[in-house]
Amino acid sequence: TQLLEQSPQFLSIQEGENLTVYCNSSSVFSSLQWYRQEPGEGPVLLVTVVTGGEVKKLKRLTFQFGDARKDSSLHITAAQPGDTGLYLCAGSGNQFYFGTGTSLTVIP
Amino acid sequence: DAGITQSPRHKVTETGTPVTLRCHQTENHRYMYWYRQDPGHGLRLIHYSYGVKDTDKGEVSDGYSVSRSKTEDFLLTLESATSSQTSVYFCAISESGGYTEAFFGQGTRLTVV
Repeated sequence: TQLLEQSPQFLSIQEGENLTVYCNSSSVFSSLQWYRQEPGEGPVLLVTVVTGGEVKKLKRLTFQFGDARKDSSLHITAAQPGDTGLYLCAGSGNQFYFGTGTSLTVIP
Repeated sequence: DAGITQSPRHKVTETGTPVTLRCHQTENHRYMYWYRQDPGHGLRLIHYSYGVKDTDKGEVSDGYSVSRSKTEDFLLTLESATSSQTSVYFCAISESGGYTEAFFGQGTRLTVV
């Protein structure tokens, strides 16, 4: 059983649309990270959120950490084909507790 | 890019044979991890190491063993490969466990026939 559940598992949208990906857990984490993975590559860190309620922006990507530090969301504005990939959230500890992943396809 | 090298990158092996995957880092990071990635499961931790000769099990450790005799090398061994171990295996490193960024290798695609 994985500690972090992501939804949706798959998402296919047209270029220019907005989307939100969710990462939920029943456990509290001191910090949470978001990674993006492209085909044939390992995941690469996008952001780390630490404080409950924290919002971080990375160009068109907005990350939010829930007040109770159990959940997080990733919102992409005006999606582009270059955003296509697998998005993974990960909770912190001695190890990384990875979520189930959201596979995003942005159609030109 | 973080200096992490996985070898081999691709391998096909027969059921029942032992297989060893190697992860080599040049970053001198304390923590090293082995994950497997399967559709619908994200990344699942197999084993990790928090120092030379210091290792611990992850959530899917059955059928796998690891060794870390040097800071830079972390070996994953499938003692007797089974078809259920067909997967993509990723090595990762971090300075201070899950509180710092994880850097990943490019993965090893293993097929057990």
